[in-house]
Amino acid sequence: DQQVKQNSPSLSVQEGRISILNCDYTNSMFDYFLWYKKYPAEGPTFLISISSIKDKNEDGRFTVFLNKSAKHLSLHIVPSQPGDSAVYFCASRGSARQLTFGSGTQLTVLP
Amino acid sequence: DTEVTQTPKHLVMGMTNKKSLKCEQHMGHRAMYWYKQKAKKPPELMFVYSYEKLSINESVPSRFSPECPNSSLLNLHLHALQPEDSALYLCASSQSTGRSTEAFFGQGTRLTVV
Repeated sequence: DQQVKQNSPSLSVQEGRISILNCDYTNSMFDYFLWYKKYPAEGPTFLISISSIKDKNEDGRFTVFLNKSAKHLSLHIVPSQPGDSAVYFCASRGSARQLTFGSGTQLTVLP
Repeated sequence: DTEVTQTPKHLVMGMTNKKSLKCEQHMGHRAMYWYKQKAKKPPELMFVYSYEKLSINESVPSRFSPECPNSSLLNLHLHALQPEDSALYLCASSQSTGRSTEAFFGQGTRLTVV
């Protein structure tokens, strides 16, 4: 049973436009949600996180929104740049600070 | 220094070999993790060490044996692996308490079992 789901395996966006990546979760006990970016043959790189008591966190071009009632979070990237092309993983944090990852979304930003 | 260093980067081993993967961090993190990632899949948790003690083992087969010799080092000893164990093995570390939320990942070891 997947506790963290990313239903869109891929997303293509024009450079300069907004990229919206979505994530759903099932466990209400998660206390933090994180987004990681991953290039092939590299480890995941942390982007941004949000506490379960917040509904929005912003860092530069990246904003994460959390809707607890819908158990849904999203990552907005604006403006999107070609260098943003990568696989994006949503993750939830457990009690030992271990991460449970979604299946990932391949973002392609077209020049 | 926000780096987690993993060695080797690539490893090819036979099913009868014994090898070890190594991971090192100098951020003072007291929680360290091993994850396994197969192609086109998300990283999956294998083990969690907290203050050098194994706190979570996600039902990993005994042919994978973790070891945490000190607060900066994490090893994964491999013995009698199967071809289906071929994957990217990722080490990560994080604070075990406090407000910092993220885990830092190494570049991974690409393991091929032949």
